Amino acid sequence: EAGVTQFPSHSVIEKGQTVTLRCDPISGHDNLYWYRRVMGKEIKFLLHFVKESKQDESGMPNNRFLAERTGGTYSTLKVQPAELEDSGVYFCASSQTRAASDNEQFFGPGTRLTVL
Amino acid sequence: DAKTTQPPSMDCAEGRAANLPCNHSTISGNEYVYWYRQIHSQGPQYIIHGLKNNETNEMASLIITEDRKSSTLILPHATLRDTAVYYCIVTRAGGTSYGKLTFGQGTILTVHP
Repeated sequence: EAGVTQFPSHSVIEKGQTVTLRCDPISGHDNLYWYRRVMGKEIKFLLHFVKESKQDESGMPNNRFLAERTGGTYSTLKVQPAELEDSGVYFCASSQTRAASDNEQFFGPGTRLTVL
Repeated sequence: DAKTTQPPSMDCAEGRAANLPCNHSTISGNEYVYWYRQIHSQGPQYIIHGLKNNETNEMASLIITEDRKSSTLILPHATLRDTAVYYCIVTRAGGTSYGKLTFGQGTILTVHP
């Protein structure tokens, strides 16, 4: 069974440009999460989808970030326009349930974003 | 979410047991303790979780104190590949935003030959 995949693995863009990150969760996983780690900081939650609905987007830093999950399958995270402080590693994770008793999340390898 | 406290770093000799402590003194009765690890630049990896009973799987054992205020992750025979950052996370069981993981600084475990 394929794990969580993310594309691209690396992206280098200039300040002001737009970047779109993609995440393909494990097939059948309704729950999809985005996290990110900026340099020297902890991994932080961004948002959580249940199927195509945004369940919790409390971690989204500002309105330059837009996440979508059309059809409840893959998800995209667009940053427009990118700023220097957006540099970091963006992780996607998926899980079958979000119940605390069974919330094993499977993480992708991450997308390393560098904004120059 | 209940806050967790872990030592910033620990060392362990290869082949020996690695015991990683975690304090979660404000944990609520329906909150679970989860452990994840991140090896180098990979995505975090689930290890084990529990509510109040001790748990064991093929990767590790989790010992939770009776008052649930602390826990210990045990890697019974550490290998060099176990060198990673280990995160102890308490997850909410309900409310409007349960499901997300709140990562702290974690413990950097270094396994040496």
